[in-house]
Amino acid sequence: GAGVSQSPSNKVTEKGKDVELRCDPISGHTALYWYRQRLGQGLEFLIYFQGNSAPDKSGLPSDRFSAERTGESVSTLTIQRTQQEDSAVYLCASSEDRGLGNTIYFGEGSWLTVV
Amino acid sequence: AQSVTQPDIHITVSEGASLELRCNYSYGATPYLFWYVQSPGQGLQLLLKYFSGDTLVQGIKGFEAEFKRSQSSFNLRKPSVHWSDAAEYFCAVRGNTPLVFGKGTRLSVIA
Repeated sequence: GAGVSQSPSNKVTEKGKDVELRCDPISGHTALYWYRQRLGQGLEFLIYFQGNSAPDKSGLPSDRFSAERTGESVSTLTIQRTQQEDSAVYLCASSEDRGLGNTIYFGEGSWLTVV
Repeated sequence: AQSVTQPDIHITVSEGASLELRCNYSYGATPYLFWYVQSPGQGLQLLLKYFSGDTLVQGIKGFEAEFKRSQSSFNLRKPSVHWSDAAEYFCAVRGNTPLVFGKGTRLSVIA
């Protein structure tokens, strides 16, 4: 597709279960980002992938959160043993490379509700 | 580390009135600055960005923003607001880390 694609668009899960969120970046984009947006809040940076470099994991809130990326394509964000405070929109974004002025394009997000 | 402050949580304007959304940033060097808009149920769309040159930047949908280094500000403006502009607006800064966002300003437009 032409834009950043995320799935699922909505996910309701029980507390304690694991969830996986998927992101397909724009074709050819080497940089990929995950952000979290809690209700009424701004976006919190989670993790950043750039090509084959080691990812910047500095924003991950706990060791229950992890992410992988296969080459320069799909990324999966995994949340283990979900808690209610994990309820949020998880936004994926991509850009051509790590250039600071590059436009970062966002997907529509995966809405996660933990009950 | 960089940071962004959007002082106004919620602003209401009348359709046709002018608009200014405030953004203040903190960063030691020349920052890269962005404004994004998020409409209900949609992803973020880039309105405009600044990283060098003319300090008045034109964006999409009739928006503009002015970079003022002395005030560490990057305020977003529109001369005449349309009802379809009702949305959440986020200012963001990029230095040596990925984008850092403000908490957003929600814009309501009344007839």
